[in-house]
Amino acid sequence: DQQVKQNSPSLSVQEGRISILNCDYTNSMFDYFLWYKKYPAEGPTFLISISSIKDKNEDGRFTVFLNKSAKHLSLHIVPSQPGDSAVYFCAASGGGNKLVFGAGTILRVKS
Amino acid sequence: EPEVTQTPSHQVTQMGQEVILRCVPISNHLYFYWYRQILGQKVEFLVSFYNNEISEKSEIFDDQFSVERPDGSNFTLKIRSTKLEDSAMYFCASSSGQDEQFFGPGTRLTVL
Repeated sequence: DQQVKQNSPSLSVQEGRISILNCDYTNSMFDYFLWYKKYPAEGPTFLISISSIKDKNEDGRFTVFLNKSAKHLSLHIVPSQPGDSAVYFCAASGGGNKLVFGAGTILRVKS
Repeated sequence: EPEVTQTPSHQVTQMGQEVILRCVPISNHLYFYWYRQILGQKVEFLVSFYNNEISEKSEIFDDQFSVERPDGSNFTLKIRSTKLEDSAMYFCASSSGQDEQFFGPGTRLTVL
């Protein structure tokens, strides 16, 4: 099932700089997109979401951008902090509650 | 801050045995879910539950699986006869509507 793809398995960023995590999807029925953060041995923690009627949503240091024509979304973290180091999952839903997850991107923020 | 809780954190069982994984969703939420993550793989949807019935289930959720909300606070996942391939992290989640889902810490199921 490759409906949600995170093509970068890992990303390394210097503290204070911007982290950009990318996600692509193939299912045109998806209308709600979410980003989750996950630490080892913990469950996914909700970060931010965006509806398909918007192209940007911002919450503090986190901004999600949605490009529907390209079926692409990205998560920007500015400024990045060492505590942001975790696995980031993109997820999507459409016509129901089921979330379809990407494979995740490991973010390492170096101090 | 309200959170989803799950017990046990780790369950070890023999193949063929029944297991029950327990979850306490956030109290005012109406939608409940189970997901699982096999080591090294994606988080996969198993089942969603609303108004005391299953609203959607995946192909993984076959006759060996069942869910129940036995009282006003608990939500359980039962696997009747476990297989080796059921070994995974099982996550419970809840939501107030068709919006963001909040996940519990997970139960690691190991089938020997």
